[in-house]
Amino acid sequence: AQSVTQLDSQVPVFEEAPVELRCNYSSSVSVYLFWYVQYPNQGLQLLLKYLSGSTLVKGINGFEAEFNKSQTSFHLRKPSVHISDTAEYFCAVRNTGGFKTIFGAGTRLFVKA
Amino acid sequence: DAGVIQSPRHEVTEMGQEVTLRCKPISGHDYLFWYRQTMMRGLELLIYFNNNVPIDDSGMPEDRFSAKMPNASFSTLKIQPSEPRDSAVYFCASSFAGAEANYGYTFGSGTRLTVV
Repeated sequence: AQSVTQLDSQVPVFEEAPVELRCNYSSSVSVYLFWYVQYPNQGLQLLLKYLSGSTLVKGINGFEAEFNKSQTSFHLRKPSVHISDTAEYFCAVRNTGGFKTIFGAGTRLFVKA
Repeated sequence: DAGVIQSPRHEVTEMGQEVTLRCKPISGHDYLFWYRQTMMRGLELLIYFNNNVPIDDSGMPEDRFSAKMPNASFSTLKIQPSEPRDSAVYFCASSFAGAEANYGYTFGSGTRLTVV
């Protein structure tokens, strides 16, 4: 079975500052990793995904994430955030042999002016 | 494509009543998922279908919950009888397994259910 731990429930940050949202996962088999974003009163949108290959993956809205197999982490980063990035971010994992995705508890990013 | 369409967007019902939530997945997607989101428990997978067949319903909380997918373009999640603790946002998501580039899910906007 897989599990996902998002280490911060809330991250406040000033506009134009860099941000890192941390995610650790646990699995006994190979996995695919995802980050989703949820804006208020909306469904989740796929931000980026790691399937294989390069460990640094780039997504929409200037976000990127790095897969670290030895540390079982998949942290999300953005070098300069905007007010519009205020949302909840979910890390998710799925084993490569299945189709059931497990989501973390979410990290609420709050960008202040 | 209009995306994953869920209806209704909001539902308020009295305890004991039957509630039916509806979902239209993206055309061509062969997987459909029902999730429930609450503050206390986060996102929980209730059930998922592949080619209209239920694959894993281990997340369905109890017999009061049932889900069907009579065809590739429609699914329902029914709660009968409803209870206040069922209050949550219910999301439907679909996905296509045929190409590695599409291993993420597309979510609907959700149905906010309030049981009073």
